[in-house]
Amino acid sequence: AQSVTQLDSQVPVFEEAPVELRCNYSSSVSVYLFWYVQYPNQGLQLLLKYLSGSTLVESINGFEAEFNKSQTSFHLRKPSVHISDTAEYFCAVSDQGGHNDMRFGAGTRLTVKP
Amino acid sequence: DAGITQSPRYKITETGRQVTLMCHQTWSHSYMFWYRQDLGHGLRLIYYSAAADITDKGEVPDGYVVSRSKTENFPLTLESATRSQTSVYFCASGTSVLEQYFGPGTRLTVT
Repeated sequence: AQSVTQLDSQVPVFEEAPVELRCNYSSSVSVYLFWYVQYPNQGLQLLLKYLSGSTLVESINGFEAEFNKSQTSFHLRKPSVHISDTAEYFCAVSDQGGHNDMRFGAGTRLTVKP
Repeated sequence: DAGITQSPRYKITETGRQVTLMCHQTWSHSYMFWYRQDLGHGLRLIYYSAAADITDKGEVPDGYVVSRSKTENFPLTLESATRSQTSVYFCASGTSVLEQYFGPGTRLTVT
């Protein structure tokens, strides 16, 4: 089965600094990849996804992630973070083999400090 | 209002009791999912349903029962609650596994 490793459990950064949240996956078949965000006391919201095509995908609020097949990674980046980006971020993978499940990483807590 | 709702939002129960968590969606999505969220584990799939009357096990199904007699509802039952089932439970729905919309969660404490 596919699996996901998020390499950092916590990432503290200052406002307007760049940030990278790291995600590696493992699968024996081709995959779909996702980043979800969870704000305090809320459910998860889809931030961006890679299904096919361009390996660089972007969200509407300035985040981007690049699918790197050779390194089995899907790192999330933002060039300048805001206080409002403080949240828990989850990387997820679903294989293209037709299995109806999605596997999530353990999460990375991003804290943006003023 | 359209969307996905979960009830109750908070629940405290005792070991050995049966408890049912409710999930309701108004989008007529064919897929519905139940996850549990535990520190250090992220979200783990308990059960999912591809359509009414069709359910299947996920990664951690032991101790849980689901049913789906109507498209919009997907209740999760803990038949005999244990302390290890203390968690935050999220329901999600979608047109496929690739696009899931999550409810606000139910925080369950088993004493």
